[in-house]
Formats: sequence, C-alpha cells, structure tokens
Amino acid sequence: ILNVEQSPQSLHVQEGDSTNFTCSFPSSNFYALHWYRWETAKSPEALFVMTLNGDEKKKGRISATLNTKEGYSYLYIKGSQPEDSATYLCASRGISGNTPLVFGKGTRLSVIA
Amino acid sequence: DTAVSQTPKYLVTQMGNDKSIKCEQNLGHDTMYWYKQDSKKFLKIMFSYNNKELIINETVPNRFSPKSPDKAHLNLHINSLELGDSAVYFCASSHTLAGRSYNEQFFGPGTRLTVL
Repeated sequence: ILNVEQSPQSLHVQEGDSTNFTCSFPSSNFYALHWYRWETAKSPEALFVMTLNGDEKKKGRISATLNTKEGYSYLYIKGSQPEDSATYLCASRGISGNTPLVFGKGTRLSVIA
Repeated sequence: DTAVSQTPKYLVTQMGNDKSIKCEQNLGHDTMYWYKQDSKKFLKIMFSYNNKELIINETVPNRFSPKSPDKAHLNLHINSLELGDSAVYFCASSHTLAGRSYNEQFFGPGTRLTVL
C-alpha cells in the first residue's frame, strides 16, 4: 500500500497571497498523481492528473508540478481568493496490476478576505 | 444532469440492520468505486468494479457486498451494521484506458451513514 503524505495539514492565507503545498509519494512503481479540490459539504472535484516526470499543469490561477524521481508534487495557487478555500487532496496510483488510488489526508486552505 | 448520484444522502439506522446505498453514473464510464471517509476525514478505497467485474477489494469485512447490475450502477449492500460502519461513503467513476484507470475520478455527493 502506498503512503501519500501532504503538508501542511492546514494553511491560512490572506486574500491576494500566493501559496503552495506539497504531496509526497513513493517514487518506485509510480503510475499517476491526482489532485482534487474538496469544498465543505461537496464532493471532491478533479483538478489535475499527472504522469510524466517534470510535468506541469495549469488551470486558471492553480498549477501543479510533478517530480516522479524524488516522489513529490507541488500545488500552487496564485493570488488566493476566498472561493479557493477548500481541502486539496492528492492521490497516487502505483503501476502494479489494479492498484487503487491512495489519497493523502489533504491540505485545508482558508483564504481570509 | 448529475454525473454521479447516490441515494440516500443520509441514512440513520440501528445496529444489526441491513441497508443498501445506490450509485449511478451517466458519464459512460466503465469503472466505478466505493470509498469510505473515516473519522479522520481520510478517503479510503473499498471496492472497484470495471465493466461489472470486481477488480479491487481492499480488506473490507465481508458484511459489505458491492453489486454492479450494469456499468452505470454500483450499489453497496451492508449486512449486520455495526457502530463502526458510521461514516460518509462516496461513490466515484472513471474511464479506463488500456486496462488501467488513468483518468480523473468523478465523485458522487456522498452518503452519510449513522448507525445507532
């Protein structure tokens, strides 16, 4: 079973600040890394799926990078807005057989207006 | 237009009862999942079905029995409910490419199960 770690556990930033969080995963037998955004009382929504080392993906003010050799991914939010407040989950999948997606515990972001 | 739907949204029941949670997706996906969000808010995979066949079963008590009548449905039946089964259960679906579920997963709204 993979062990996916996220840090920090929670984060408070001021509106307009840029921020980033980290996801660490085992680099051996890596297959894919997912980022999800999870607002309170809603269901997780996919942000990115990344597979290639050095990959960088962007959606609006949110971007993510992937380092499969060292086993980490960063999620960046530029110019945080109150509507960015949510828990950001990362999840990793191994390459062996039908391995499941293993989620980290998430980083809870609160953006203060 | 709901992509992944679950019913019921809330379920309160007594210990020892048998209950089912239904999940349907209208995205044309061929892989469906059940996750349990535990007391620490951790999402853990329970089951995964691809084209109605079980492909992942993660050390879940055999009181939990998933059933997939077709690719668009994956229901979760729980026998002899216990206090520890209280949790939020999420259904999800995705598209499988070349035998591996590569794409992002789409989640249902969750079912909050409370066992008294």
